[in-house]
Amino acid sequence: NAGVTQTPKFRVLKTGQSMTLLCAQDMNHEYMYWYRQDPGMGLRLIHYSVGEGTTAKGEVPDGYNVSRLKKQNFLLGLESAAPSQTSVYFCASSLTSIETQYFGPGTRLLVL
Amino acid sequence: AQSVTQLDSQVPVFEEAPVELRCNYSSSVSVYLFWYVQYPNQGLQLLLKYLSGSTLVKGINGFEAEFNKSQTSFHLRKPSVHISDTAEYFCAVRPQRSYIPTFGRGTSLIVHP
Repeated sequence: NAGVTQTPKFRVLKTGQSMTLLCAQDMNHEYMYWYRQDPGMGLRLIHYSVGEGTTAKGEVPDGYNVSRLKKQNFLLGLESAAPSQTSVYFCASSLTSIETQYFGPGTRLLVL
Repeated sequence: AQSVTQLDSQVPVFEEAPVELRCNYSSSVSVYLFWYVQYPNQGLQLLLKYLSGSTLVKGINGFEAEFNKSQTSFHLRKPSVHISDTAEYFCAVRPQRSYIPTFGRGTSLIVHP
């Protein structure tokens, strides 16, 4: 099992560009999450999904969109990147809402 | 809304010494409580969680935590640390009726030989 994988690992964008981050899990988990981590802060939830075809807003959803067309994939989109979106993005998945969340290795994004 | 305070940003300790990482929270509703560890350039890994029942929770790598409802605390302890325990530790709370957790700012545990 690969667990949770994230693509890409690193990316540099210019302000106004768009991109999509891909998260994939092979554990047949229902729940998937996107977080961002900024220096000196804990993780903050951007969006989450409780099953295929569903998405919901987390604590900091503005400027991001998500899609969960397939159970194993959870995509995070930035339509018009801003320097404030420079961060490390983590994806996670869990079997149920109270089961252990398994995290991916992260995507480091720099927006110039 | 809930909040989490990790009282120490950095905790230096010698190898084989005991350690306690402190976490206090505030919430107007019942919560679940979590401790995560993050090694450099990696994602978070769950150490332990409190959902209900016994207030003393045992986790992986010899860590344990005690939920104290009256003091709204969930401190993490290990009786004897190893060099490999050097990492960032995060406390998190999540209302039982919500999917959205709140994380603390993290405590950097530095184990010296």
